[in-house]
Amino acid sequence: EIVLTQSPGTLSLSPGERATLSCRASQSVSSSYLAWYQQKPGQAPRLLIYGASSRATGIPDRFSGSGSGTDFTLTISRLEPEDFAVYYCQQYGSSPRFGQGTKVEIK
Amino acid sequence: EVQLVESGGGLVQPGGSLRLSCAASGFTFSSYEMNWVRQAPGKGLEWVSYISSSGSTIYYADSVKGRFTISRDNAKNSLYLQMNSLRAEDTAVYYCAKYSSSKLRIFDYWGQGTLVTVSS
Repeated sequence: EIVLTQSPGTLSLSPGERATLSCRASQSVSSSYLAWYQQKPGQAPRLLIYGASSRATGIPDRFSGSGSGTDFTLTISRLEPEDFAVYYCQQYGSSPRFGQGTKVEIK
Repeated sequence: EVQLVESGGGLVQPGGSLRLSCAASGFTFSSYEMNWVRQAPGKGLEWVSYISSSGSTIYYADSVKGRFTISRDNAKNSLYLQMNSLRAEDTAVYYCAKYSSSKLRIFDYWGQGTLVTVSS
C-alpha cells in the first residue's frame, strides 16, 4: 500500500507570500493519479489539482501542481486570504489514499 | 448544479448500527461511480468505500470490511452506507463523494457530510 507523507505539517505565511507544499509517496505514483484538495473549517474538501498538474474547473491559476514518481508539490504563487486552509494530496485508483494534510495558516 | 446531501448520522452506542444516505441531484446519478470518505474529528481524510455506477463492483477499506455495506438505488438517485458493529474509532464526519468519471477517479464533488458519533 502506498503511504503519502506531506510536509510541513503547518506552514505559517503572510498574504501575498508563496506557499510550497510537499507530498512524498512511499512508492512511485503515476502522475496521472495524484490529486490535491483544499479544505476549510466546517467544509467539505474541494478538488484543486488532478493528474499532478491539471487545475480543476474554476481553480485560480495561482495554484499549480508539479512532480512525478514519489515527489509532488503544490505551489500557491501569492497567498490570498481565502487560501488559508488545510491541503491534502491524494493518490487515486482502486484504493484511494490521502496524505495527512498541511495546514497553511496566517503568520 | 451538482448536489450531494448526506443524512442519517447521529449518536450510537458501540456495537450498534446506523444507515447513512446520500441524495444526489444535478447529474445523471446512474452514470457515475460513488464513494464514502470519512474524517475523524481533527484528523485527516480516509476513503471508506466505493461502488460502481451499476452497483456490481464494490470495494471497502480494510478498516470497515465485513462491518459496512455500501449500496445505491439509481431509481431514487441515492447512495447508502449501512454501518454495523460500530466502534469508537468509526466516529467521524462521513462524506459521499462522486468520481469525475470511470477513467478519472478523482473526487470532483462532495456532500457537506454527516456526523457519526459512537459512544456509550
